[in-house]
Formats: sequence, structure tokens, C-alpha cells
Amino acid sequence: KAGVTQTPRYLIKTRGQQVTLSCSPISGHRSVSWYQQTPGQGLQFLFEYFSETQRNKGNFPGRFSGRQFSNSRSEMNVSTLELGDSALYLCASSYGTANMNTEAFFGQGTRLTVV
Amino acid sequence: AQSVTQLGSHVSVSEGALVLLRCNYSSSVPPYLFWYVQYPNQGLQLLLKYTSAATLVKGINGFEAEFKKSETSFHLTKPSAHMSDAAEYFCAVSGGSGNTGKLIFGQGTTLQVKP
Repeated sequence: KAGVTQTPRYLIKTRGQQVTLSCSPISGHRSVSWYQQTPGQGLQFLFEYFSETQRNKGNFPGRFSGRQFSNSRSEMNVSTLELGDSALYLCASSYGTANMNTEAFFGQGTRLTVV
Repeated sequence: AQSVTQLGSHVSVSEGALVLLRCNYSSSVPPYLFWYVQYPNQGLQLLLKYTSAATLVKGINGFEAEFKKSETSFHLTKPSAHMSDAAEYFCAVSGGSGNTGKLIFGQGTTLQVKP
């Protein structure tokens, strides 16, 4: 079974631009969560999508948004990029059932650098 | 609200020595706990998870963790360290009821293995 695939692996953008990151979950998984990882703040939850609906959201500004398609693939978008948005963005997929111990499987991440 | 504290941001052991990485959690409900490992420029790989079925949980690569409710701890151990164990380790707790798809991570512990 193929794992979680994130594209692209690396991105360099300029302040003020916008960026879109993609995540393809494991086949059969309907939940996709996104995380931002930085040296200072660690791993922080951005949002979770399940069956094309945002089910949960972390404490990030509105510049961070996402969506999920009918095939469970997900995209996240960051508009008006700031230097502080430089981070490793990780996506995780799971079955997303009511059983809270369903483990999440992570992709390799997208390394975003804002210059 | 759920939270996780990892004691020690950096742990150094000799090859063949015992590995002990500490994790304490705070949860208002029975927690679901996880240990993940991250190698440089990679995503997170699940080592093991606590499902409430057994307090001693065995994972991959010879790691295990013991859930101790009285101490609110879920420490990760491995009897004999290998050079390939050098990585960053994260303890995480599920976000709890109404907080779907969210993992709350500790700040991480970098494990160094000396030859």
C-alpha cells in the first residue's frame, strides 16, 4: 500500500506570494490533517479535513486555508507569505473514525522557505 | 485540555546502552498516546501507540513504552541503543473528544548515539 505523498518536497517563495501544497493520503483514508513544524514552535496542528469538510482547526491566521477533494486528496494554501511561514509542512492521513486512537501516518513533508 | 511534556530536549547514550526518553501527559479523559520518530528531512514514523489494551506497549525497532496512569507518564525505552536510532523522537496525545484529527506533540527529544 502506498504511503502518504506530499508534493512538492521543497519550495522557495518570496514574501507576499502565495503557495499551494498537496497531500495524497493512503488509499481508504478519509481524514487528512496538516501540521507546521518549526524549530521554535515545534509541531503545531493547522487543520483537519474529513470527507471534504473541515472538521477541526488550529490557531493559525486566516492566511492558512485548505480543502479536500472527493478522492480525499488535500491541498493547503498560504497567502501573503511571511518570513515566519518558513517551515516543514507535514500532512497525516488516517481513517478518521470516531475511535480516537486511530494512528496517523505522515508524509515526508514539504519544506517551504520564504525569502 | 490535553498536553505533553518531554523531559530533556537532548539525550546522549553510548551504543549498546539503555535508551530512556521521558514523556508526561495531561489529559482530562483517558488518553491515546503515541511515540513517533523523525529522521533528518523526513516525516514522522509511528513507533508505537497506547490503546488502553495493555500498559506495556511494544513497537518497532525494539522500542517499548509503559503507560503509568498514576504517574501520567508514557516513557519510551530500548534495552540496547544502535547507531541507527539517532533521530528526533516525539511523544503525542490525541486531541480528545471533539478535537478530531489532532495530535498534540511534545517538543521532541533528540537522541544521540555515540560509538
